[in-house]
Amino acid sequence: QSVLTQPPSASGTPGQRVTISCSGSNSNIGSNFAYWYQQLPGTAPKLLIYRNNQRSSGVPDRFSGSESGSSASLAISGLRSEDEADYYCASWDDSLSVVVFGGGTKLTVL
Amino acid sequence: QVQLQQWGAGLLKPSETLSLTCDGYGGSFSGYYWSWIRQPPGKGLEWIGEIDHSGSTTYNPSLKSRVTISIDTSKKQFSLKLTSVTAADMAVYYCARMDRIVVINGILHDAFDIWGQGTMVTVSS
Repeated sequence: QSVLTQPPSASGTPGQRVTISCSGSNSNIGSNFAYWYQQLPGTAPKLLIYRNNQRSSGVPDRFSGSESGSSASLAISGLRSEDEADYYCASWDDSLSVVVFGGGTKLTVL
Repeated sequence: QVQLQQWGAGLLKPSETLSLTCDGYGGSFSGYYWSWIRQPPGKGLEWIGEIDHSGSTTYNPSLKSRVTISIDTSKKQFSLKLTSVTAADMAVYYCARMDRIVVINGILHDAFDIWGQGTMVTVSS
């Protein structure tokens, strides 16, 4: 059971817009920044979004992040086949004094 | 630009000690948290703990009794030791650099911006 809650799967067709949610609490996303990581099969995670909505260097502007209260969202527009990957949200948790991750969302491009 | 290269034993027997090292070549070692993260096969990410350049550590309470993270700033390396491993510790282990945000009343954790390539650790008798 992950501290941050993500849907296990999401899907879309090429060109579509998909959104992945990440639900936390006051002790993590509600009081700290949210981060998003993309993990392609067999590779290490890669930073996509930092501090809720800042794109990491080299990340296309098709990827965007937002935060509201104790939840965060990752939106991918103009979906492409190479976006098929696992996506993880993360934050610092003040109560647990740990970095917490969501369980991950497997994105399938149909 | 800093890159992280990690190494260590990939096959352990139950009750042995896992030992991994990460080399952060190509950049500064100060001003960051240096972390270990693991991912069991087919599962999500779990933060193990971190160390800064002064040697100050923070561990995940779920692993704290068995974990030691150390640092050698002269070599720009940091290491992970996890004692008494069991099958539950089988995972890909990643080292990662975490940036920090300096604010008026302290330092905040920021993003894992650089990752090692990962090391698969198998525990089997």
